[in-house]
Amino acid sequence: RKEVEQDPGPFNVPEGATVAFNCTYSNSASQSFFWYRQDCRKEPKLLMSVYSSGNEDGRFTAQLNRASQYISLLIRDSKLSDSATYLCVVNNPGTYKYIFGTGTRLKVLA
Amino acid sequence: ETGVTQSPTHLIKTRGQQVTLRCSSQSGHNTVSWYQQALGQGPQFIFQYYREEENGRGNFPPRFSGLQFPNYSSELNVNALELDDSALYLCASSLVAGAEETQYFGPGTRLLVL
Repeated sequence: RKEVEQDPGPFNVPEGATVAFNCTYSNSASQSFFWYRQDCRKEPKLLMSVYSSGNEDGRFTAQLNRASQYISLLIRDSKLSDSATYLCVVNNPGTYKYIFGTGTRLKVLA
Repeated sequence: ETGVTQSPTHLIKTRGQQVTLRCSSQSGHNTVSWYQQALGQGPQFIFQYYREEENGRGNFPPRFSGLQFPNYSSELNVNALELDDSALYLCASSLVAGAEETQYFGPGTRLLVL
């Protein structure tokens, strides 16, 4: 089983739609969680950290469910510019490496 | 922009050759991590350097080696290149080597091995 799993998609949604991605992780001791966005042939860029209480940044909401070992990303009112690959990242205690999922590809259609 | 720079941006090598990739970390950051991203995959951790010492290593063979310099810039060296080494190589810097520390990525070096 992979340490971090994501549905690769693609998710094709119309502009203005709400879309949600989930990511599951295998290590119950994982302590830090992030969502990164990666545009085609570019580097990953931090979208948001994911906190236990959940957090929101504009149209983006991230949630952490420790009991079920998943994190989620909700995007409201999708824009064409949201089209990208969204990478789920987990950081386990005792190591400083990021463990990435394969990414979920989102296409927002006009 | 993150302030993390990498060079070169693109590189073509042949099997068996050696390559050196370079990374300059964001100002004030003393930790550099290197990742390999194959097409269609998420980045895979190669190793991390903190204050010029290797601070953790992923599942990569010894022909992948690195250095960190006193100014915290870093190099990734790959010997005896194989076709499967073709990938995007990303470096990320962070303020400290901490579990919750955000890592900021450079633009990457795209390596093609023929």
